[in-house]
Formats: sequence, structure tokens, C-alpha cells
Amino acid sequence: SQTIHQWPATLVQPVGSPLSLECTVEGTSNPNLYWYRQAAGRGLQLLFYSVGIGQISSEVPQNLSASRPQDRQFILSSKKLLLSDSGFYLCAWTRGAFGIETQYFGPGTRLLVL
Amino acid sequence: GESVGLHLPTLSVQEGDNSIINCAYSNSASDYFIWYKQESGKGPQFIIDIRSNMDKRQGQRVTVLLNKTVKHLSLQIAATQPGDSAVYFCAKNGAGNTGKLIFGQGTTLQVKP
Repeated sequence: SQTIHQWPATLVQPVGSPLSLECTVEGTSNPNLYWYRQAAGRGLQLLFYSVGIGQISSEVPQNLSASRPQDRQFILSSKKLLLSDSGFYLCAWTRGAFGIETQYFGPGTRLLVL
Repeated sequence: GESVGLHLPTLSVQEGDNSIINCAYSNSASDYFIWYKQESGKGPQFIIDIRSNMDKRQGQRVTVLLNKTVKHLSLQIAATQPGDSAVYFCAKNGAGNTGKLIFGQGTTLQVKP
């Protein structure tokens, strides 16, 4: 069966510090991968998605970036965090080859920028 | 543009009653609809899905109804239990063959004992 992992689970960072959140998927090959941000009490905002290694599409201009160095690894980064970057970050995957598919979510990373 | 909206931000029901959570969408070209359940501090969990060639689909204690005429989607939970307390999101596929989903803002279901 497939599983998706995210770490860390919780992170408190000062404004201006760098960020690296990691997501890995097990039990599948060539998944499509997604990064979302969820503000408190709000819906999900798609940040990035990837159809393969090194292929990243950005949905929202911001000071975040994403990378996919390996088939089942998706990384969300920032060089300098802003207060507005606080939120709940979720990684999701679907089976490869874009079609109409269910997205499965990881446990999330709670980020607090102070 | 495309959108997905929920009718009520909060729904409070008595334990044992049936719950109905509603969702409306704007683009009739959508083919696929999903309901997710998100408990506090966790990632959304897939509940049930339905494709546009169906009007109804049933799972364990849950039923999804799709009315394409009025562009309305609903999730029915039978015999609501305290463990059903969560935020429920509806989602649909976006335009084109991108694999992206468009999410509603969520309805918080509160189950009273």
C-alpha cells in the first residue's frame, strides 16, 4: 500500500530564517505531487505541483519554492520566511499521468513564523 | 473562473441523527467530485468520490449525491457519531487534464452527545 510522509510535524522559525519541508511517498512510482498551504480555519491553497523529477509548476507567486530531486521526494523551501508564511503545509500525491484522480494527503507540517 | 462553495460553514447535529453537508460548484464541465474529512491537526482524509456519469454513490454510512442540473453536491452521513466531528471539504477536478483539484472552504461538523 502507498503511504506519504511529511516532516517535521511542527516547526517554529524566526522571520528571515530559511525553510525546508520534506515530503516522501512510498509504494508507488512516478506519482504527481502537490504542496498546499492551509491557513487556520480556511480551505486549501495549492502552491506547487510536479509531474516528475525536476518538473515544478507554481500556482501562486510567493517567496516559497519547491524541488523534486527524486521521484518520490518533494521539498518545499524558502530562503527567508515571512510572518505570512505561517500555516499548515500539506503534501499530496496522485497516481502518475494526469487524469482525474483522487489526491491523498500527508499528515501535514504546522509552521509558525515568529 | 471555477469555484466550489459550501452552503454552511458550521453544522451542528445530535449524535445518532443524519447529517447532510452541501456544496455548490460553478463549472458543469467538471467530471469528478470528492469529499474529504479533516480532523484537527491532521491531513484531509478521502471519504468518497463520484464521477459525473453517476447521481449517487454509497459507502459505509456515507452517501454522495450529485445534481448536475443545479450543480449541487451533498454528503450524507447516517447515524452521526462523535468521531464524525471534523471539517468536511468538497473538491472537484479543475479545467483541463492537470490533475489539480479545486476545494471548497469546508464545513465544520459538530456532533452533540
